[in-house]
Amino acid sequence: QSGLTQPPSASAPPGQRVTISCSGGSSNLASNAVNWYQHLPGTAPKLLIYSNDQRPSGVPDRFSAFTSGTSASLVISGLQSEDEADYYCASWDDSLGGHVVFGGGTKLTVL
Amino acid sequence: EQLVESGGGVVRPGRSLRLSCAASGFTFNNYAIHWVRQSPGKGPEWVALIWYDGSDKFYLDSVRGRFSISRDNSKNRVFLEMNNLRPDDTALYFCARERREFGGFGGAFDIWGQGTRVTVSS
Repeated sequence: QSGLTQPPSASAPPGQRVTISCSGGSSNLASNAVNWYQHLPGTAPKLLIYSNDQRPSGVPDRFSAFTSGTSASLVISGLQSEDEADYYCASWDDSLGGHVVFGGGTKLTVL
Repeated sequence: EQLVESGGGVVRPGRSLRLSCAASGFTFNNYAIHWVRQSPGKGPEWVALIWYDGSDKFYLDSVRGRFSISRDNSKNRVFLEMNNLRPDDTALYFCARERREFGGFGGAFDIWGQGTRVTVSS
C-alpha cells in the first residue's frame, strides 16, 4: 500500500522553531486531509492536528500545520524539552479499496 | 471517554485470536472505530475500520481475508477476529475512535486505548 514520506529525524534547540514535512501523492494528500500525531514511548499516539490545520482542545498553539498540494508540514514553535517525541502524519488513501496510511515518523530531538 | 482493549496473547503461527475493544463515556454508535498496530521499533500501522453502524468495513491489504472486524453497538464493543496469524502480525494492537461523528474516512483518531499485545511465534 502507498505511504507518506517523512524525514527520519529533526532537531532544534529549546525556544526555536522546527518544521516536519510529510509528502504524499494523488491518492492521499491530494484529495484527503492530513492529521498529525505525537508519540511518546509506552503510550498511545496523541492527536495533535486534524483536518490539515485544526488543533484539538488542549493542544498548545505552539503546534500548527499547513498543506500545499501533496505535501504537509507540522510546525512546532517555542520548542520545549517535552516536545521530544516521534511525530507521524496520517491520511485516508483512496487506493486499494481505501485505507488509512501513516508516515514513517520523524524523531524530534530538542538539543 | 475511554477505550479498553483485551484479548491479546502469545500464539503459534497459523492460529487465531479475537481482540475486543470496550468503549465507555460517549455515544458509541455514532463513531467509526479503527484498529491500529505498532510493531516493536516501528511506527503505527493501520489495520482495519468499521463504520459507526457496521455497514462498511475496510482492511489493510496484508490482513484482508485473514482478519475480520465487527461491532456490537448494544454492548459498546468492537472486535477484531484474527485468523491464520503470522509472525509479522506481532504488535501492540490499539483500537481508536475516528474523531468526527458519523465519519470514518479521516484517519483522525482522538481516543485510543492502551493497547493489547499480540505475539505470534513458534
